[in-house]
Amino acid sequence: GAGVSQSPRYKVAKRGQDVALRCDPISGHVSLFWYQQALGQGPEFLTYFQNEAQLDKSGLPSDRFFAERPEGSVSTLKIQRTQQEDSAVYLCASSLNTFFGSAHEQYFGPGTRLTVT
Amino acid sequence: GQQLNQSPQSMFIQEGEDVSMNCTSSSIFNTWLWYKQEPGEGPVLLIALYKAGELTSNGRLTAQFGITRKDSFLNISASIPSDVGIYFCAGHQTGANNLFFGTGTRLTVIP
Repeated sequence: GAGVSQSPRYKVAKRGQDVALRCDPISGHVSLFWYQQALGQGPEFLTYFQNEAQLDKSGLPSDRFFAERPEGSVSTLKIQRTQQEDSAVYLCASSLNTFFGSAHEQYFGPGTRLTVT
Repeated sequence: GQQLNQSPQSMFIQEGEDVSMNCTSSSIFNTWLWYKQEPGEGPVLLIALYKAGELTSNGRLTAQFGITRKDSFLNISASIPSDVGIYFCAGHQTGANNLFFGTGTRLTVIP
């Protein structure tokens, strides 16, 4: 079956512009995560959804970052008034659930590379 | 966030050699996972470990969940050129929603 897909794969934004990044999780996966990966680093957690509910947004770096998953499938990460420090790869991951068995096996999309100029 | 330290940071090995890398933390984790990431792609799950002391294999890869629950190890036997990439460990703690990732080990295989 299809894996996690993300679009666009690459985005260049001028400083101050708003961007929207899309994630299509694996069909049937309840949990969805967004991570930010700076160059040469491991991914760092941004936010987590269970179905349509955003249960954890403790990793969002500022109130310019906003995520939604209105129907419990596709998710959008929005960054308002982008700054140069927002340049990174934004990864989306999904998992079947977070309570049972192989719950913590998260499957990642290819990421969106955001460059803010 | 939690700090997971991986060593070595990078490795250059000859094709056919075995590889060992590890991941350590000052905190306890209840799940360890190993991912491989290639340029321009997202991390791909290789192995998941759920019990202290567990040893799990996936083809030429073998990973172990340390008995202290503060470390994990990954071995790759008989390396081949397509093993090139960055290997990340990731841990999950009870009560947390997310995974904490290590700093990565960059593997280069020389044909």
